[in-house]
Amino acid sequence: AQSVTQLDSHVSVSEGTPVLLRCNYSSSYSPSLFWYVQHPNKGLQLLLKYTSAATLVKGINGFEAEFKKSETSFHLTKPSAHMSDAAEYFCVVMPSSTGFQKLVFGTGTRLLVSP
Amino acid sequence: DGGITQSPKYLFRKEGQNVTLSCEQNLNHDAMYWYRQDPGQGLRLIYYSQIVNDFQKGDIAEGYSVSREKKESFPLTVTSAQKNPTAFYLCASIRSGGPTDTQYFGPGTRLTVL
Repeated sequence: AQSVTQLDSHVSVSEGTPVLLRCNYSSSYSPSLFWYVQHPNKGLQLLLKYTSAATLVKGINGFEAEFKKSETSFHLTKPSAHMSDAAEYFCVVMPSSTGFQKLVFGTGTRLLVSP
Repeated sequence: DGGITQSPKYLFRKEGQNVTLSCEQNLNHDAMYWYRQDPGQGLRLIYYSQIVNDFQKGDIAEGYSVSREKKESFPLTVTSAQKNPTAFYLCASIRSGGPTDTQYFGPGTRLTVL
């Protein structure tokens, strides 16, 4: 069975400091992996996705993530946090074995950014 | 602008009532999805449809029903059989559902049972 574990339910950073949101996945097949962001009472927006091309994936708003198969990890990073980054972030796995795109969501990490 | 619209944004329901949540997309996407989001949990799949006039149950379909009569529309009915319907509901669509495609999400409907 495929699953995603987001290791922190909350992460607090100061504006201008680096951001690290951790995600580990479990998949029997070579998965596709995604990071989505959700601002309060809004829908989800895709930040970036990994689909077996380059292991370092660059996304929008300065975010990037590195796929590490040996560690089954797909951590999200940003060099310098901005106040507007405060939101909930979801790590998502899609096993490539399915005939359609069924996403498996992590429980989310709430990012808090202080001035 | 292309996108996904959900209405209403907020919905209140009395116990025992059925309610229908609207989801419309003008992206010409083939597949559409309904998710439920509860606090502290990830999204859970209720129903999905890969093509008009066809849909399948997701992981938590009990107490819900859907229809897909038009490509651009995928309404979700929350029936009185759903024991705990208070949640945030998100609709999504995708061009073809292949592994490299991206799911686009609507802004959501917050349903509260009074």
